[in-house]
Amino acid sequence: QQQVKQSPQSLIVQKGGISIINCAYENTAFDYFPWYQQFPGKGPALLIAIRPDVSEKKEGRFTISFNKSAKQFSLHIMDSQPGDSATYFCAARPTYSGAGSYQLTFGKGTKLSVIP
Amino acid sequence: DSGVTQTPKHLITATGQRVTLRCSPRSGDLSVYWYQQSLDQGLQFLIQYYNGEERAKGNILERFSAQQFPDLHSELNLSSLELGDSALYFCASSVEATGWMNTEAFFGQGTRLTVV
Repeated sequence: QQQVKQSPQSLIVQKGGISIINCAYENTAFDYFPWYQQFPGKGPALLIAIRPDVSEKKEGRFTISFNKSAKQFSLHIMDSQPGDSATYFCAARPTYSGAGSYQLTFGKGTKLSVIP
Repeated sequence: DSGVTQTPKHLITATGQRVTLRCSPRSGDLSVYWYQQSLDQGLQFLIQYYNGEERAKGNILERFSAQQFPDLHSELNLSSLELGDSALYFCASSVEATGWMNTEAFFGQGTRLTVV
């Protein structure tokens, strides 16, 4: 059972456009929702994260929108640039369960291509 | 550079064989997490160690095992390898958390395992 569903699988956006990636979760115990960016040959790197007590978080060109009632969250990349071309993963973590616990459940990823 | 070191970067081995993947966490991080990344399953959590002790288990096969040593490095052992075990294996580390914290997990660059 996939607990975090991510769409679309791939996305092509013109430079300067808005990239939107959506995720939906099922487990109501999730309480932390990070997005990771992965370039080819590299490990995932944290991009931005949100807690369910806020509906939006913005960092530079990246914004997370969160809808707790719908159990959905999305990543918006404004003014998309070719350097943003990467695979993006949404993830979720259940309620804190002990020292050092950071067990993430990932979506299957979205390959973003930003074309000039 | 995340500060998490994984070796080797690439590994090619035959079915039925056994391999060991190694991970050195960031300095000071007590937790080590292992993830498997395949094209069809995405990033799947395998197992977590905290300060030498197993803390959480995910979708880890019985043929796979891990340990964390006193110097905090970790090894993932994969035995009786099958073609389907071919994947990227990532290690991540994080600091100790007390109470609820947004403790970021830092990922290594992964080991690409190819079983032929």
